[in-house]
Amino acid sequence: SQQGEEDPQALSIQEGENATMNCSYKTSINNLQWYRQNSGRGLVHLILIRSNEREKHSGRLRVTLDTSKKSSSLLITASRAADTASYFCATDAGNAGGTSYGKLTFGQGTILTVHP
Amino acid sequence: DARVTQTPRHKVTEMGQEVTMRCQPILGHNTVFWYRQTMMQGLELLAYFRNRAPLDDSGMPKDRFSAEMPDATLATLKIQPSEPRDSAVYFCASGPNRGPLPGNGYTFGSGTRLTVV
Repeated sequence: SQQGEEDPQALSIQEGENATMNCSYKTSINNLQWYRQNSGRGLVHLILIRSNEREKHSGRLRVTLDTSKKSSSLLITASRAADTASYFCATDAGNAGGTSYGKLTFGQGTILTVHP
Repeated sequence: DARVTQTPRHKVTEMGQEVTMRCQPILGHNTVFWYRQTMMQGLELLAYFRNRAPLDDSGMPKDRFSAEMPDATLATLKIQPSEPRDSAVYFCASGPNRGPLPGNGYTFGSGTRLTVV
């Protein structure tokens, strides 16, 4: 079963607008990651936020994490047509082997369309 | 840029045939994942290796699927016999020894698109 639930399932905006995608999860995590997937391609890592962090920035991306609510959001500012893609959150709960990282469990994704 | 290489990119096969998908992880990465992506189920973890040892293959149908790492530069996923419901895109991903780094995460290959007719 999917750990992450993403909202909305699809988002359509105009170039220059901001896009916000949300992700909720069920179990405790070590870190949460966001990936982008262009149609017919593999997934590309965007940003990672650890469980003890509340906000991360990378270029036009801003990620927040609220572990008390088990939720995260991805904000893309000043969107461009090239941002059109599917965006996935993925949670890493660590593993029983004692390492702080483990397998990723993906949400269903948000399909973002940015119109020129 | 370092890449995860998957072969073949596309595979069409008849039901009942054996299918082998290959993955070359990034040199030095010893964490390797196999994921399957379908419209209905999304991205599902099939198998997960660290230092070539399987850590979790609970998502993989054991009766027909098998995953191995014959050496550190090759991971394989086999389906025998294949069925139409196995049609999907299969992704391999690799990660560094110390886990995903903030700027890197895991690196995914371009996938193998499998069609079983």
